[in-house]
Amino acid sequence: KAGVTQTPRYLIKTRGQQVTLSCSPISGHRSVSWYQQTPGQGLQFLFEYFSETQRNKGNFPGRFSGRQFSNSRSEMNVSTLELGDSALYLCASRRELANQETQYFGPGTRLLVL
Amino acid sequence: AQSVTQPDIHITVSEGASLELRCNYSYGATPYLFWYVQSPGQGLQLLLKYFSGDTLVQGIKGFEAEFKRSQSSFNLRKPSVHWSDAAEYFCAVVANSGYSTLTFGKGTMLLVSP
Repeated sequence: KAGVTQTPRYLIKTRGQQVTLSCSPISGHRSVSWYQQTPGQGLQFLFEYFSETQRNKGNFPGRFSGRQFSNSRSEMNVSTLELGDSALYLCASRRELANQETQYFGPGTRLLVL
Repeated sequence: AQSVTQPDIHITVSEGASLELRCNYSYGATPYLFWYVQSPGQGLQLLLKYFSGDTLVQGIKGFEAEFKRSQSSFNLRKPSVHWSDAAEYFCAVVANSGYSTLTFGKGTMLLVSP
């Protein structure tokens, strides 16, 4: 079974631009979560989607948004990019929206904001 | 809210020596516990998890972890480290009630010396 895939793998943007990242979950997984990883803050939860609905949201500004499609694929968008948005963005999927369900991670998208 | 502490930012171990990475959590009850590993430029790979039952859990790549309720700890161990184990290791928890997602520690970078 194919794992979680994320596109693109690398991205360079300038301040003020917006960016869209894509995540395809493992087949049969209906939940997709997004995490931001930076050297200073570590791994931080952004949001989780299940059945096209946002179920949980972390402590990030409204510039960070996401959505999920009927095939469970998900996108996240960051508008008005800031230098501090430079990070590795990880997507994770799990079968169901249950706490004991293991989350499987993709390779991430590395975003550099100049 | 739950939290995770990994006291060691870096650990250096000689190849063939044993390894123990520490993880302490803060939560009112016993959470679900996970260890993930991240190689450079990669996403997170699940090593093992604990939900209930036997407090010593076996994982992939020869790793094991022991849950100690009295110490709120979930330390990761390996009897003999290989050079390929050099990576960053993350302990994570999920609450076992209500709705929650992964909360990660800051990670421990493992360096393996020849």
